[in-house]
Amino acid sequence: DVKVTQSSRYLVKRTGEKVFLECVQDMDHENMFWYRQDPGLGLRLIYFSYDVKMKEKGDIPEGYSVSREKKERFSLILESASTNQTSMYLCASSLPGQPIDYEQYFGPGTRLTVT
Amino acid sequence: GQQLNQSPQSMFIQEGEDVSMNCTSSSIFNTWLWYKQDPGEGPVLLIALYKAGELTSNGRLTAQFGITRKDSFLNISASIPSDVGIYFCAGQLLQGGSEKLVFGKGTKLTVNP
Repeated sequence: DVKVTQSSRYLVKRTGEKVFLECVQDMDHENMFWYRQDPGLGLRLIYFSYDVKMKEKGDIPEGYSVSREKKERFSLILESASTNQTSMYLCASSLPGQPIDYEQYFGPGTRLTVT
Repeated sequence: GQQLNQSPQSMFIQEGEDVSMNCTSSSIFNTWLWYKQDPGEGPVLLIALYKAGELTSNGRLTAQFGITRKDSFLNISASIPSDVGIYFCAGQLLQGGSEKLVFGKGTKLTVNP
């Protein structure tokens, strides 16, 4: 069964703190993704990775960085958290190769509040 | 960037009714996916469509990949209270060349018992 886990379901951080969001998948997927979800804006892609130590910017990478040291783990880092980064963060993964590389499987999400 | 127009934004229906929602775009897609998100949870993949004209069912759910490749619809028959949630469409662009999906903004479904 497909399994994507995220380290925290709820997180409260202060402005300026460094925040780490962890995502782990046990499906041996090559591709991993980080999205944020906000009311009225839908899902927006922050960063993605095709392979270990590889990363590419998504649509809204500003204020974020990522790390992929192992195939199964993809971390999202907020270097200095700000209140406008309060959001639901979703991790996803998928296999490469047509056509199922576009079937992304999501984790349960981390609701981050920055005060 | 590319956009998917998903409608309606929200629906309020009675238990037992059928539901229909759709996604359209000015761009051509070669894959359409439909997800459901329960409150406080991540989206769960319901149906994947890979060929124009394809009609696929998953229990009471039926989805179709439009012939023009620019649209898709999802039908839910005989709705039940646990159908409540947000339904998202997602598409992969024909000329995309990358692993990114484009998402609709969701249809929020409320089912009254």
